[in-house]
Amino acid sequence: TQLLEQSPQFLSIQEGENLTVYCNSSSVFSSLQWYRQEPGEGPVLLVTVVTGGEVKKLKRLTFQFGDARKDSSLHITAAQPGDTGLYLCAGDPGAQKLVFGQGTRLTINP
Amino acid sequence: SAVISQKPSRDICQRGTSLTIQCQVDSQVTMMFWYRQQPGQSLTLIATANQGSEATYESGFVIDKFPISRPNLTFSTLTVSNMSPEDSSIYLCSVERALNTEAFFGQGTRLTVV
Repeated sequence: TQLLEQSPQFLSIQEGENLTVYCNSSSVFSSLQWYRQEPGEGPVLLVTVVTGGEVKKLKRLTFQFGDARKDSSLHITAAQPGDTGLYLCAGDPGAQKLVFGQGTRLTINP
Repeated sequence: SAVISQKPSRDICQRGTSLTIQCQVDSQVTMMFWYRQQPGQSLTLIATANQGSEATYESGFVIDKFPISRPNLTFSTLTVSNMSPEDSSIYLCSVERALNTEAFFGQGTRLTVV
């Protein structure tokens, strides 16, 4: 059983479109993180959300933490080819180690 | 943040052999983590390596197959032993900042077993 369920797992859209990636769990997390991984590299931290209902913006990326701290979303506005990559949500269920979602492989076509 | 150097970055190995992956961090850290990322998949934690004690392995991973060393606070190795094609994966080491357990990763080792 996956502790963090990400959807969709694959997404291919045209440049300029908007998209949302979801990360859901039945468990409460003290914080959730989003990472992006490009081929040949390790994941790179994009953001950490800590407070229920929190919204954080990183240029065209908007991250939201659910009020109950069980889910999070990543919204990208006007996607660009440089946004292509594997997006991973992750959280600590209380065991001082991270669990990762299955990942969303995003392709932005020029 | 932390700068993590991992090597080798990739290798092609014969089945039945072993490969040791090294991970060097630019600062002292208490815990280091080793992950496996199978092709097209997410990250699965193999074990947590603490300096001065034996590594703690996750379900499905055993010390005989994935021995880990942690000789000091900036270095760790993971050995993939008696390799089979099913071990072909990316292996990643990471460290976590205690606050919010944010992780920093090495660039990974892409292992292909033939």
